[in-house]
This record gives sequence, structure tokens and C-alpha cells, in this order.
Amino acid sequence: AAGVIQSPRHLIKEKRETATLKCYPIPRHDTVYWYQQGPGQDPQFLISFYEKMQSDKGSIPDRFSAQQFSDYHSELNMSSLELGDSALYFCASSPQGYNGELFFGEGSRLTVL
Amino acid sequence: DAKTTQPNSMESNEEEPVHLPCNHSTISGTDYIHWYRQLPSQGPEYVIHGLTSNVNNRMASLAIAEDRKSSTLILHRATLRDAAVYYCILRDTFNKFYFGSGTKLNVKP
Repeated sequence: AAGVIQSPRHLIKEKRETATLKCYPIPRHDTVYWYQQGPGQDPQFLISFYEKMQSDKGSIPDRFSAQQFSDYHSELNMSSLELGDSALYFCASSPQGYNGELFFGEGSRLTVL
Repeated sequence: DAKTTQPNSMESNEEEPVHLPCNHSTISGTDYIHWYRQLPSQGPEYVIHGLTSNVNNRMASLAIAEDRKSSTLILHRATLRDAAVYYCILRDTFNKFYFGSGTKLNVKP
């Protein structure tokens, strides 16, 4: 069965550069969540989308933005990267409704030098 | 925003049952109780979820207290592959899904 696809899996950037992470949800899933997980930390919720509209916003820095496109894939854009942005970024998708499970991707590891 | 409380760590012997507790005293009537686990450098993996009744699947069982203020994830026979961080999460009608501090399960051979 198709899973949540995240790309790239690994990304190395310099400070002050920009990065874009992509997430392709499972077909027919209309809800996407983004999480950031620093070393030794629990996943922190960043932002979520339902039917291409932002549905909830967590601890996402102003330097970050995200959107969900008409094909339901989502992109997380990060600008003016800082060393502290180095983390694993997970995307999860879920079908319509709140009583189902979330399906997580393998994550994108961002390293900022 | 974490609305669940779990022990930081637990230890189990291989092939013995494991009971992982979670307190969620502020749960609302429509919140679903979800459990996920995460291995190092991997995405969280769904384990089980429920609303009011106890639930069983091939991975685990979920026992929900009658007042729903707590729940217990039961691994019937722990294996070394079950060593992971286990998260108890409430999912509400607004689709909020926040991780708290999970329980790191260590399984001893």
C-alpha cells in the first residue's frame, strides 16, 4: 500500500539559506500535519492543513511557511535557516474525519551548518 | 498543549506483558485516545486507538477507564522489537494532534 512520501530524505544547508520540504500524502487523504523533532526531543507540532486550508498552527517560526496544493501534497518552506532548525521533519496524513489514525512519513533530516 | 501524562520510562522482560499507562484527566467526550510508537530516527507508527470501549488489534490492546480519564496500552508479549518511545495522544474534533512526552520502553532479553 502507498505510504506518505517525504522528500528530500536528507538536506544540508548553510545558515541563512532557504529549504523546502515536500510531503505527498496517501491518496484520498485530505489532512496533512507537519512536525519538527530535534535531537532527543519529542515531535513538536508545526502546522496542519485540511482540504488545502490551514486548520491549525503550532510552534511554527515566522520564518517558516507551508501550504497544501490542489493535489493535496504539501510543502514546508524554511527561510533564514538557523543552526537550531536542524531536526527531523515529519509529515503525516489522515483521511477525512478525526477518528482515524495518522500515517507518518519517514521524515526529512535537515542539517544546518 | 499536551493533555496526556505518561511515565518517562519503563522496563520489561522479553516475552512478558507490558502495561503502559496514560493519564488524560481533561479529556472531552469526543476526544479519541491514540497510541503511537517511535523507533530512533523513524517516523511514529500507529499502534491503536479508541473512544470508549476497549480495543484489540494484532499489535496491542487498549484498555480505557470507565471515566475515560486514563488508559493503558497492553503489549501481550514484549519482544526486543517493541523497544521504542510510546506516545499517548488525544485527537479532538478539530483534528488537533499534539505529542506529549512519551514513555521510553526498554525490553530486556
